[in-house]
Amino acid sequence: KAGVTQTPRYLIKTRGQQVTLSCSPISGHRSVSWYQQTPGQGLQFLFEYFSETQRNKGNFPGRFSGRQFSNSRSEMNVSTLELGDSALYLCASSLETWGNEQFFGPGTRLTVL
Amino acid sequence: QQQVKQSPQSLIVQKGGISIINCAYENTAFDYFPWYQQFPGKGPALLIAIRPDVSEKKEGRFTISFNKSAKQFSLHIMDSQPGDSATYFCAATSPYGGATNKLIFGTGTLLAVQP
Repeated sequence: KAGVTQTPRYLIKTRGQQVTLSCSPISGHRSVSWYQQTPGQGLQFLFEYFSETQRNKGNFPGRFSGRQFSNSRSEMNVSTLELGDSALYLCASSLETWGNEQFFGPGTRLTVL
Repeated sequence: QQQVKQSPQSLIVQKGGISIINCAYENTAFDYFPWYQQFPGKGPALLIAIRPDVSEKKEGRFTISFNKSAKQFSLHIMDSQPGDSATYFCAATSPYGGATNKLIFGTGTLLAVQP
């Protein structure tokens, strides 16, 4: 069974630009969550989607948004990039919502110059 | 109250030794506690998880000990091997406010197992 895939793996952008990251969950998984990982703040929850609905949102500014499609694939978008948005963005998928095993993808390394 | 505190920040263990990483939480609504292992350049991988209705869970060389009254849980890696060298994260989640997979992560422990 294929794992969680994320594209692209690496991305370099400049301040003010916007970026879209993609995540394909494990086949059959309906829940997708996004996390930001930085050396200073660690792993922080961004948002969670289940059956195309956002179920939960972390404490991030409105520049961070996401969506989920009917095939459970998810995208997250960051607009007006800031230097502090440089991070590893991780996607995790789970069969259902709440207390289920979550499987992480390899992440997208975003660098903002 | 949403924090999970993890210690130590780094740990050096000799091959064959026992690695112990500790986590503490405040929110009594937390009811699912997974541990993740992360190698450089990779995403976190689920190692083992526990719910508060048991005090210990063992899978191979990895054991979670859970103390509900103290609101603490720990990961023990028996017979530690150089291949175990990685960053370990504890986490917690709660259904409070509705079903959610939102994980609250500890700050991570960098484990180095010396040959």
